Amino acid sequence: GAVVSQHPSRVICKSGTSVKIECRSLDFQATTMFWYRQFPKQSLMLMATSNEGSKATYEQGVEKDKFLINHASLTLSTLTVTSAHPEDSSFYICSARMERVGNYGYTFGSGTRLTVV
Amino acid sequence: RKEVEQDPGPFNVPEGATVAFNCTYSNSASQSFFWYRQDCRKEPKLLMSVYSSGNEDGRFTAQLNRASQYISLLIRDSKLSDSATYLCVVNRMGLRAAGNKLTFGGGTRVLVKP
Repeated sequence: GAVVSQHPSRVICKSGTSVKIECRSLDFQATTMFWYRQFPKQSLMLMATSNEGSKATYEQGVEKDKFLINHASLTLSTLTVTSAHPEDSSFYICSARMERVGNYGYTFGSGTRLTVV
Repeated sequence: RKEVEQDPGPFNVPEGATVAFNCTYSNSASQSFFWYRQDCRKEPKLLMSVYSSGNEDGRFTAQLNRASQYISLLIRDSKLSDSATYLCVVNRMGLRAAGNKLTFGGGTRVLVKP
């Protein structure tokens, strides 16, 4: 089945630094990837939709200058949390929408647990 | 009002029993519906899609009621391994439509106990 590889799985960083999270589709091309954030005991909240070759679309309330998204190829999207603060500590998950003929499902990366200290 | 609402639970279920729970959605234009399972600190995994006529996958049965705007999940003969959070997921547009995106409910926690 389709696999989305997300790295790193866990990261601890100091307040004020930046962290990059990668999401790769391993056996399919993903023109669209989605970035979610999940706080403890809450559901996944969509942060932005990443489109290959164009600017990402951010959900209301998500700062585009703080959460930089790059989708430079059909198999890679990155999320960079810039100038991270403790309140950015969360579980970040990417998802890719498969667009092969006859298969339009979504598959998720394994998530990145970010802790900002 | 949240777009997708679920009873957070937890539903404490004796092993072997049946448990059922619902999810309501507010947008009547919603077209695709799914149940995902999420284990603690893991990514969500698709459990099953929900079709208009209702569908079954082993011990799991999903139903869709468009008139009342809810979907349901029933788990028969519960196993200890069924303990997880079940996420109701709604897609406003058809799955093939460009720009569609998933909206997640808050999840229903199920604890199956011996």
